[in-house]
Amino acid sequence: GDSVTQTEGPVTVSESESLIINCTYSATSIAYPNLFWYVRYPGEGLQLLLKVITAGQKGSSRGFEATYNKETTSFHLQKASVQESDSAVYYCALGYGSSGNKLIFGIGTLLSVKP
Amino acid sequence: DMKVTQMPRYLIKRMGENVLLECGQDMSHETMYWYRQDPGLGLQLIYISYDVDSNSEGDIPKGYRVSRKKREHFSLILDSAKTNQTSVYFCASSLSQGLSYEQYFGPGTRLTVL
Repeated sequence: GDSVTQTEGPVTVSESESLIINCTYSATSIAYPNLFWYVRYPGEGLQLLLKVITAGQKGSSRGFEATYNKETTSFHLQKASVQESDSAVYYCALGYGSSGNKLIFGIGTLLSVKP
Repeated sequence: DMKVTQMPRYLIKRMGENVLLECGQDMSHETMYWYRQDPGLGLQLIYISYDVDSNSEGDIPKGYRVSRKKREHFSLILDSAKTNQTSVYFCASSLSQGLSYEQYFGPGTRLTVL
């Protein structure tokens, strides 16, 4: 079936360290999946961090980046140097649906950045 | 300011009681969504609304119904709540159909059914 698997949290890193949150997907019934990273800061709703709709392309936002790799079915989220304000829950999502904007979400990865 | 609001933020109900969760958005978005998230699972789509009185089941609609009488409001109703409906519920909206439009989410409602 179609699914998203991501790093199970919590993930704890120190400020200024690098970060990678793994995301792999299965899109057996989706011809042209689109890939997203959403972030949820404490007390707030999910908000779009970045999206990539074409395989082979890289998306970036707020110092985060992710490359849509169709060969490895991966969309890992990376940041070279995290800040305490990056502490949040990160969700990888697979988009599909010709009749609507449907998303399949991963479970979310809680990131805690130590000062 | 683009915003999706949810009320209430926290709710405790007894099994068999009716539950009303409300969602509002100030962006005139046509499409709205209800999701739930349980521990160890990703957000799961309950219902989509494409506009006023134009609702469609998502992946897990059983035990829920929705109402959209105004474009800016979308309600989720649980008639006779069950303990397995304890969850965090998220509402979202998007400008239109299609993947190029991002979804904007509310802060969530934590529902506990005893």
